[in-house]
Amino acid sequence: DIVLTQSPTTMAASPGEKVTLTCRASSSVSYMNWYQQKPGASPKLWIYGTSKLASGVPNRFSGSGSGTSYSLIISSMETEDIATYYCQQCCSTPNTFGAGTKLELK
Amino acid sequence: QIQLVQSGPELKKPGESVKISCKASGYTFTDYAMHWVKQAPGKGLKWMGWINTYTGKPTYADDFKGRFVFSLEASASTANLQISNLKNEDTATYFCARRVIRVGFDYWGQGVMVTVSS
Repeated sequence: DIVLTQSPTTMAASPGEKVTLTCRASSSVSYMNWYQQKPGASPKLWIYGTSKLASGVPNRFSGSGSGTSYSLIISSMETEDIATYYCQQCCSTPNTFGAGTKLELK
Repeated sequence: QIQLVQSGPELKKPGESVKISCKASGYTFTDYAMHWVKQAPGKGLKWMGWINTYTGKPTYADDFKGRFVFSLEASASTANLQISNLKNEDTATYFCARRVIRVGFDYWGQGVMVTVSS
């Protein structure tokens, strides 16, 4: 099984700050998806195919990476970005998720 | 509009069974696979497996083989998850999610909270 390791587990960012979340895979994957989840809500597809923004996602978000290392980047943190972000590889069974990065406001 | 509407919360005792439904609307049900995801309280997302909505064939992650059954009522555009011989560690929210190839899980149900307690 492909294990996805997200870092950091938790991070706090100030409004306007650049944020980088990382997801490392135990084996190479073709691409990575990211989901945003807020407390009490269902996850939302946020970034797919490594770098494509899902519908409605602000363009301050971007995704990059290849092979075993992927990133979700927020160019300028906003309060509405407070959430937990999960990476997921969906090309190899099981379609594993990372453990998540909880993004808080500093 | 596309929606996945799941059944309501469940409170069960250890050893009992539960069946959760996920009713899809707004698209052709058999065109997209349905996946199931578990989230224990305060924990992350765990992929359980998926069902081919065209053929009805289920695929289970290793941790969900044996007591977990995915099924369909295709005429009702509904996917079901049945868990038998419930254990305390089955206490969680269970999500259904539609998967689009090369995109990911683009629509999710609202989740069903299953509580197992004696």
